[in-house]
Amino acid sequence: QVQLVESGGGVVQPGRSLRLSCAASGFTFSGYTMHWVRQAPGKGLEWVAVISYDGINSYFADSVKGRFTISRDNSKNTLYLQINSLRAEDTAVYYCARVGRGALVTAITSVDFQHWGQGTLVTVSS
Amino acid sequence: QSVLTQPPSVSAAPGQKVTISCSGSSSNIENNYVSWFQHLPGTAPKLLIYDNNKRPSGIPDRFSASKSGTSATLGITGLQTGDEADYYCGTWDYSLTAVVFGGGTKLTVL
Repeated sequence: QVQLVESGGGVVQPGRSLRLSCAASGFTFSGYTMHWVRQAPGKGLEWVAVISYDGINSYFADSVKGRFTISRDNSKNTLYLQINSLRAEDTAVYYCARVGRGALVTAITSVDFQHWGQGTLVTVSS
Repeated sequence: QSVLTQPPSVSAAPGQKVTISCSGSSSNIENNYVSWFQHLPGTAPKLLIYDNNKRPSGIPDRFSASKSGTSATLGITGLQTGDEADYYCGTWDYSLTAVVFGGGTKLTVL
């Protein structure tokens, strides 16, 4: 079955960098658009970024543009989120999510996030 | 301030029906598919509805949704205590070139 496992979270000082990973299994990773979504403590869901199945196209939330980079290694079935210049407001649980349908049948704009990881907590604190 | 507007909370008694609204604009809801998610604290969000009104396999037909113009609505019938959760609408926004979520609605089953 589809499994997404995030890792890489932890306590980080403001201004530092962090790379989150999302290991995928149970499906053909290279055939699906992937997203990162986060939830800050006491707040709602906030979409962070999306990357196309082939890694060519990506989009970001305005709040993270220029600081976050999304990438994927289809040979390793892994999605990444590089977070630079961390701020206190980046403190959140970060989830990776897979859309329900393959890239050949649905656009990168689809929001049918059918599969989610359990999340990894990033705490930005000095 | 979320791009999509949802009521902060709704409540109803067990067995009753509740609706949750999601208001947007022509750059998001009106011209894109809407999804709905259920989120219980400490767990991964769950997709309830996609493409405005389709249910993924395993989602009971107590959950339904519709869209009209710049607004979408999630309906839940036969409320159960296990339905207590936060509910979010989401869609693509062409102006922002981004996914946007509503602020979330906390459902209380009294």
